[in-house]
Amino acid sequence: GNSVTQMEGPVTLSEEAFLTINCTYTATGYPSLFWYVQYPGEGLQLLLKATKADDKGSNKGFEATYRKETTSFHLEKGSVQVSDSAVYFCALRDGATNKLIFGTGTLLAVQP
Amino acid sequence: DGGITQSPKYLFRKEGQNVTLSCEQNLNHDAMYWYRQDPGQGLRLIYYSQIVNDFQKGDIAEGYSVSREKKESFPLTVTSAQKNPTAFYLCASSIRDRLDNEQFFGPGTRLTVL
Repeated sequence: GNSVTQMEGPVTLSEEAFLTINCTYTATGYPSLFWYVQYPGEGLQLLLKATKADDKGSNKGFEATYRKETTSFHLEKGSVQVSDSAVYFCALRDGATNKLIFGTGTLLAVQP
Repeated sequence: DGGITQSPKYLFRKEGQNVTLSCEQNLNHDAMYWYRQDPGQGLRLIYYSQIVNDFQKGDIAEGYSVSREKKESFPLTVTSAQKNPTAFYLCASSIRDRLDNEQFFGPGTRLTVL
């Protein structure tokens, strides 16, 4: 079945460091891919998305490129801030059921 | 402002009691979803509804029930049959049948069984 695998956290970085959170997926066809962010005590917010191969989603300095050849959708940011501290979820849309399938989440802690 | 509201934010329940979590949206979305989140785990789908008066079981429906009598409302009942109900519950909605199926989430309800 379809699935999403994320790198385990926590990821601890200093302010202004470069961020990569790895995400790979298993799916039939060409699912849409998403990154969601969850700040402490809150629901999830869509960070960015990509609907087809080679698409790049971007928002608030974060980027992710849909790589069909490596079945990956890694999240990157060139310079993180303390306010980026949150849990990040990678997800894919299951084309058959229209449901979202989430990874387990990666906690990012940015220190000043 | 359009959005999804969940109430209450915190809920305490004694063992053996049923409890209902509220979810309301004014986004005019057809589809609504309930997820459960446990520490260190991703979101697991409990129930979802694509249209009014219709809903389907997700991956962990046992011990839960839902209704969808109105487009804007999708309440979740956690019954006494749910053996480990303490968790963070998230409601979401989306436009039905969109290719990208972006889901919008509410702020969540944290349920604690005493």
